[in-house]
Amino acid sequence: AQSVTQLDSQVPVFEEAPVELRCNYSSSVSVYLFWYVQYPNQGLQLLLKYLSGSTLVKGINGFEAEFNKSQTSFHLRKPSVHISDTAEYFCAVSEGASGYSTLTFGKGTMLLVSP
Amino acid sequence: NAGVMQNPRHLVRRRGQEARLRCSPMKGHSHVYWYRQLPEEGLKFMVYLQKENIIDESGMPKERFSAEFPKEGPSILRIQQVVRGDSAAYFCASSLGQGDYEQYFGPGTRLTVT
Repeated sequence: AQSVTQLDSQVPVFEEAPVELRCNYSSSVSVYLFWYVQYPNQGLQLLLKYLSGSTLVKGINGFEAEFNKSQTSFHLRKPSVHISDTAEYFCAVSEGASGYSTLTFGKGTMLLVSP
Repeated sequence: NAGVMQNPRHLVRRRGQEARLRCSPMKGHSHVYWYRQLPEEGLKFMVYLQKENIIDESGMPKERFSAEFPKEGPSILRIQQVVRGDSAAYFCASSLGQGDYEQYFGPGTRLTVT
């Protein structure tokens, strides 16, 4: 069975500072990896995804993530955050072996950006 | 160009009543997933449906919960005889089809059981 661990439940950071949100997964097979963002009382929006190819994935809003197979990690980074990035971020994994994608989510990391 | 639509956005039910949550997938999408988000937890997969078929219901509680996706109309998640522990946000996502691993999420239905 697959699982996702987001090591930090909350990450406070000042505006314009860099940030890294950590995500580790466990799976016995090849996986697809995703980061979603959830603003208060809203649904989830896809930030970026890794399906295959280059291990450095660029997403929307200036975010990027790097897939590290040996460390089973998919950490999310942004070089300079804005107040508007304050939200909850979810890492998710899908094994996809069955040809469809049921996502297993981490518990989320709340990113708090202050002036 | 509407995205995934869910209604109602908020639903209040008394213990023992039934809750019906609706999800209309994005135009052209024929696959629907339901997830539940409990307080302080991430989303948990419940069920995956294609038109008129339940493909994977491994995350559905064995009792009181059911889901359908008819040929016409939205997908419905039905919870009978609700209990306080059913209070959560329920999210629907849709995808284009088999082999498409990108899911688009709706805004969710927040169910409160009093």
